Amino acid sequence: GENVEQHPSTLSVQEGDSAVIKCTYSDSASNYFPWYKQELGKRPQLIIDIRSNVGEKKDQRIAVTLNKTAKHFSLHITETQPEDSAVYFCAASMGGGFKTIFGAGTRLFVKA
Amino acid sequence: DTGVSQNPRHKITKRGQNVTFRCDPISEHNRLYWYRQTLGQGPEFLTYFQNEAQLEKSRLLSDRFSAERPKGSFSTLEIQRTEQGDSAMYLCASNRESYEQYFGPGTRLTVT
Repeated sequence: GENVEQHPSTLSVQEGDSAVIKCTYSDSASNYFPWYKQELGKRPQLIIDIRSNVGEKKDQRIAVTLNKTAKHFSLHITETQPEDSAVYFCAASMGGGFKTIFGAGTRLFVKA
Repeated sequence: DTGVSQNPRHKITKRGQNVTFRCDPISEHNRLYWYRQTLGQGPEFLTYFQNEAQLEKSRLLSDRFSAERPKGSFSTLEIQRTEQGDSAMYLCASNRESYEQYFGPGTRLTVT
């Protein structure tokens, strides 16, 4: 069945350092890969997404890369700040109108 | 607030009881999704509606779970004969033409 694996499960970095979270997916039909940030007790919120016709996308300190051949994609956060501390989920779907499969999440701690 | 809303926000019930949750999507959104999230895990897909039609249902969903969206607007999720393993956060999300799903705040169910 469809599966998304996410690593690491916990990541601790010093403020100002970079953080990288990696995901792999199993369904080769997937063509949309969103990343969500979830703070404690709050709803998941989209922070960046990428579609399969693009290999990389950047939005200020956040970037996502996609390797469709290898079926893996990564989130890169540069110049981390304490407010980046949260749980981050990667996900994969076949696009709008299809179910989204989420990874198990990465708990990011940014130490001041 | 024009975002996705869910009611109730918290529900405590005894094992064996039935519970019903409601989701009101963003008004112009024709797609609605239900997910279940347990502690330390990513959201797990349950079911999906386009307008009033239920287009997909997870194979993991037992017959005790049923969802409706009778007029293509709000949706209800009912769990019959609740079990302790049903304790989780139940999240609703919606979208229209975009790929991004907008999540509600969730309903936290505790089965005692």
